[in-house]
Amino acid sequence: DTGVSQNPRHKITKRGQNVTFRCDPISEHNRLYWYRQTLGQGPEFLTYFQNEAQLEKSRLLSDRFSAERPKGSFSTLEIQRTEQGDSAMYLCASSPRVGYEQYFGPGTRLTVT
Amino acid sequence: DAKTTQPNSMESNEEEPVHLPCNHSTISGTDYIHWYRQLPSQGPEYVIHGLTSNVNNRMASLAIAEDRKSSTLILHRATLRDAAVYYCILDYGGSQGNLIFGKGTKLSVKP
Repeated sequence: DTGVSQNPRHKITKRGQNVTFRCDPISEHNRLYWYRQTLGQGPEFLTYFQNEAQLEKSRLLSDRFSAERPKGSFSTLEIQRTEQGDSAMYLCASSPRVGYEQYFGPGTRLTVT
Repeated sequence: DAKTTQPNSMESNEEEPVHLPCNHSTISGTDYIHWYRQLPSQGPEYVIHGLTSNVNNRMASLAIAEDRKSSTLILHRATLRDAAVYYCILDYGGSQGNLIFGKGTKLSVKP
């Protein structure tokens, strides 16, 4: 399977803990996007990378959130000091270039207790 | 950001055509119209996109009004696997490329 993969698929953590999610995009896609989706809502943009450069961050991405894409391949999204409001589905998507369709992964569902 | 308006939900019978409407009265000349769908417990999936002319692919057809203020996604024969939330998104094709999703239309397909 050469689609976008995300790990873990589910994460349950206690408030105040740190969590890290991983996204492996489709090979040779230089654009990588992170979105967050809460129940009943459409996905909301968080940040995106072109190769290893993080080019845009949404105001939704507070200081507790950090994303990296070393060497322009896989990406990680870390949330520090998790809060209950961080509970959501975190989606990753990749695209070969701007304007092309985005290919989404299955998401990581985070539950903060 | 240009916005779209879609019905919250629609119902269809299996093997019948489905027309999913989308209004985008503030669309600009460079905005592409994209459709994605999200099946239960999955990430969104690209369906189709267009600029001015009607478009067809193996999944669906996209009919765009002459003034581009509205569009319709057409599923020619709905199947139970087409039950999903369908999102109509305007993409101005700028340097960012991030998609701005609304709430979409939840399509139910009855056998």
